[in-house]
Amino acid sequence: QSALTQPASVSGSPGQSITISCTGTSSDVGGYDYVSWYQQYPGKAPKLMISGVSNRPSGVSNRFSGSKSGNTASLTISGLQAEDEADYYCSSYSSTSTLVFGGGTKLTVL
Amino acid sequence: EVHLLESGGGLVQPGGSLRLSCAASGFTFSSYAMNWVRQTPGKGLEWVSGISSSGDSTYYADSVKGRFTISRDNSKKTLYLQMNSLRAEDTAVYYCAKDLYTFGREADYWGQGTLVTVSS
Repeated sequence: QSALTQPASVSGSPGQSITISCTGTSSDVGGYDYVSWYQQYPGKAPKLMISGVSNRPSGVSNRFSGSKSGNTASLTISGLQAEDEADYYCSSYSSTSTLVFGGGTKLTVL
Repeated sequence: EVHLLESGGGLVQPGGSLRLSCAASGFTFSSYAMNWVRQTPGKGLEWVSGISSSGDSTYYADSVKGRFTISRDNSKKTLYLQMNSLRAEDTAVYYCAKDLYTFGREADYWGQGTLVTVSS
């Protein structure tokens, strides 16, 4: 049950696009399309932004998109806004019938 | 609107026990798997345990296996986590999270969390 690997931090200027990677193995990210992304503000509960690798829940801005290639999933945020500054976590279902999370990425909007 | 309200957190001594509850509303509780996820202050998320919609299947992280027990009462729309033999490293905010499926695959809605502190 090793954590998925995410960069500790990423940054971008307003209007730019950024991508956060999430690397696992063939037993989790690479083996299933149950990959989710969550946004979390300090002191708040996580909010689902992407499920099923690339599906956006109702109410989530279309500036958020997800994809997967092999054992690595990615979250892309286009047209960066100040309100996007938060922590982002990926998660995946794994072959041991458990869920595994990434270590989290702090997004800074410059 | 989906609403999840955790309770039962608090201060407990190492080796002690605590039972967390999560009251659900706004969706058909018996149709979805549920999860417990914890977050150490200032750190990342760690999945702790999951249970199928019927309650027949339960799953645990290696770090809590044999010490924690997840259960649910679909008639009361409530999820539980019995935590025994607590350790300092179990100190965290515990979130209950609804799953998108009948078996745990992806969490969608989360409660606001309840803080568990294990300390003497």
